[in-house]
Amino acid sequence: VMTQSPLSLPVTLGQPASISCRSSQSLVHSDGNTYLFWFQQRPGQSPRRLIYEVSKRDSGVPDRFSGSGSGTDFTLKISRVEAEDVGVYYCMQGIYWRFGQGTRLEIK
Amino acid sequence: EVQLVESGGNLVQPGGSLRLSCAVSGFPFSNDWMNWVRQAPVRGLEWVASIKRDGSEIYYVDSVKGRFTISRDNAKNSLYLQMNSLRVEDTAVYYCVTGGADYWGQGTLVTVSS
Repeated sequence: VMTQSPLSLPVTLGQPASISCRSSQSLVHSDGNTYLFWFQQRPGQSPRRLIYEVSKRDSGVPDRFSGSGSGTDFTLKISRVEAEDVGVYYCMQGIYWRFGQGTRLEIK
Repeated sequence: EVQLVESGGNLVQPGGSLRLSCAVSGFPFSNDWMNWVRQAPVRGLEWVASIKRDGSEIYYVDSVKGRFTISRDNAKNSLYLQMNSLRVEDTAVYYCVTGGADYWGQGTLVTVSS
């Protein structure tokens, strides 16, 4: 089970934001990698992968997005929220493809 | 450019069947696992099924086992989902997703209702 918090995140433009994701089991695979992903789903769009293997940013993802964590506890941080960041953010464990409930980011 | 284009979604009555297709281009389709993920209205994401590059391994979420069948045709760069005995709770947008979850289609809407 993947548990995200908070589920709703109102943020002022230019301010930082942080989303937590906790797994009920370790996500460290036998190959040594940790398969934890973060996705962004903007209104009316398909999900888009932002981060893979905990902290690796996908091509084209702004560097204000960063991922961290280990074992069972992970965090997605946005250093300075912009208007285009509005949407729902999901974490996913990539071993059995289980998603968190989603965190809705909105501008205050 | 990588493109995943789903088709086949429709309105169907409970107990009915549908076959979803996903045409993939710009991506080494035959080298990767492929997946179906669904999203019920105003709900989160749920993994549905996965298939290995050669079809030798297949996995399903418990709620669709025995009713859904995932398959692929590497010669046609296409992924399929045969959905039988559909239930109201299967209503969702169904996404075709690559093995690393790095590419998603636009989704196709399946509505199960009488």
